[in-house]
Order: sequence, then structure tokens, then C-alpha cells
Amino acid sequence: ETGVTQTPRHLVMGMTNKKSLKCEQHLGHNAMYWYKQSAKKPLELMFVYSLEERVENNSVPSRFSPECPNSSHLFLHLHTLQPEDSALYLCASSQAVLDYEQYFGPGTRLTVT
Amino acid sequence: QKEVEQNSGPLSVPEGAIASLNCTYSDRGSQSFFWYRQYSGKSPELIMFIYSNGDKEDGRFTAQLNKASQYVSLLIRDSQPSDSATYLCAVNNNFNKFYFGSGTKLNVKP
Repeated sequence: ETGVTQTPRHLVMGMTNKKSLKCEQHLGHNAMYWYKQSAKKPLELMFVYSLEERVENNSVPSRFSPECPNSSHLFLHLHTLQPEDSALYLCASSQAVLDYEQYFGPGTRLTVT
Repeated sequence: QKEVEQNSGPLSVPEGAIASLNCTYSDRGSQSFFWYRQYSGKSPELIMFIYSNGDKEDGRFTAQLNKASQYVSLLIRDSQPSDSATYLCAVNNNFNKFYFGSGTKLNVKP
């Protein structure tokens, strides 16, 4: 596999469920990101990790919990979500946090019912 | 006030014309500016970045930055139907602060 991969590509979950989104980058990068893209809204940066350490959390509700076990993998754990959390969740990576070139994965389309 | 503002469009141009996409930002301390292209149902891909005032050209694309006016633009020369997409402007204010605009949808008509 090449680039940035995300699984699952589509996810439907109830408000009481717990699920996880997975991201893997095959580029040897040191920084990884989670973004949320809602219809008619700008991309929102949620979390930033550099060398497995979280360096930014942009006021994201605690029902979203990130995990970065190593520089190649990033997870987003979801629990007790709300319908307004339905969106496209994009993972990205870059060589370094200050690096301009961010490579995006294909995204996970999440629907909360 | 939004950090980054773009006209949502759609902007329609005929094939072969110049498409001009504009973006304004609110933080005067912003350092880096990016243009991403996003096809429907796909993830964003970086097409241009610019750090200094003036123009930067890459093939058919030219990015223009005016920090005094807090304005950045993207020109696409000889527009092709394959350029039809949503173009996202992004601004890096400082360490880790990335803000995206809502995007401008471009339609290039054959």
C-alpha cells in the first residue's frame, strides 16, 4: 500500500455505540493529523501528532479520543456521538509538523443515527 | 469573523480561459498559504504553496500573495474540464494552526 490509508471508508453508528477510525501512513512521515469535513463548512483541524506525541487539540469534544501508538498509525476512538458529528473524517500526514506538504487519506464517511 | 474566507461559487469559466480564485484571511501574522484541490468524493491534494509577497508560477497555476491586503489568489491558465473541482485555500498562522476556507467550486465548461 502507498500513501495514506483509512479504514473503514464508511461507518454508520448509533449514538450509544463505540467505534474507532484507523489511519496508516506509508510515507515515513513524522506528523499526523485528524480533520473533520462537514457539508458547507471548512475543513477543521482536530488533532495534531508529532512523533507520537499530541501537540495540538483544537477544542474537540471528549467524545473524540485520538491515539497514536507509533508514527505510522493514528486512531480516532468515538463514543456517544451526536448526529451533528456526522461528517467526513480525514487523516493526513507530513514529514514534520511545520512541513507544508500534507498528504490526505481518502477519508471515513461517518453517519451517526 | 472567519479565519479564511472564500467565495463558495460556483465559478464557471469556458475551456481555455483563465480561472481566478480568491481568498482573504484575518490574521495579519499568517506565514504560509496553500491551495488544495478537492474533486467530488475525493480528499484534498496540495497544488500550490506560497510564503512571500508576489507571484509564484507552476505550470498553468500561479499563486499570488499580498500580505498588506491579506489576500491570496490562484490563477489557472488554459482551464481544462479536468480542473473542475473545489479549491480550498489554507493558511498556517503559526505552529500547528492550520485554517481552511470553505472552498470555491470551479466549473470549466467544454
